[in-house]
Amino acid sequence: GENVEQHPSTLSVQEGDSAVIKCTYSDSASNYFPWYKQELGKGPQLIIDIRSNVGEKKDQRIAVTLNKTAKHFSLHITETQPEDSAVYFCAAKESGGSYIPTFGRGTSLIVHP
Amino acid sequence: DGGITQSPKYLFRKEGQNVTLSCEQNLNHDAMYWYRQDPGQGLRLIYYSQIVNDFQKGDIAEGYSVSREKKESFPLTVTSAQKNPTAFYLCASSIDPSRYQETQYFGPGTRLLVL
Repeated sequence: GENVEQHPSTLSVQEGDSAVIKCTYSDSASNYFPWYKQELGKGPQLIIDIRSNVGEKKDQRIAVTLNKTAKHFSLHITETQPEDSAVYFCAAKESGGSYIPTFGRGTSLIVHP
Repeated sequence: DGGITQSPKYLFRKEGQNVTLSCEQNLNHDAMYWYRQDPGQGLRLIYYSQIVNDFQKGDIAEGYSVSREKKESFPLTVTSAQKNPTAFYLCASSIDPSRYQETQYFGPGTRLLVL
């Protein structure tokens, strides 16, 4: 089955800095990669996703890059703000195949004012 | 407003007691899921359902049961057989994971505590 590794487990940055979270996956059949943000005491919210037919996707201050050859994908947050502080989860799934995505263990991002 | 609702927000269980967590969605999604979240362990799948009256075990189904009698509802029962139920429980839904519309949307969660 699929295995998703996420690093780092904790990331601390100063406001205005960039933050990068990396995930690797094992199943070359995976081709759908969502990222979720979870604030304390709340459910995860989808913030961006990417499919394997593109290498990069951007939405304002967040972007995701995908390297299918190396089987890794990354979340980039620029100009971080204190409200970006949360736990971020990556996931990988075979589109149209298994019904269940495989999640990484999460990264706790702390943005210091 | 469309979305997924979970109730209650907090739930307390006594020893030997079964408790039921509610999950309702008005998104007209076919598939629904239950996850358990423990600190530092990410999301672990308990049960999922692709259509009404059908459900499958996930990775950690022991001590839990579900039903899917209506498309909108997917309640989770934590039975007395679950010896370590203290966790944050998340319900999710997706339109149709078999047709490339697989994005999962999560509810706000229920925190279960043992007295």
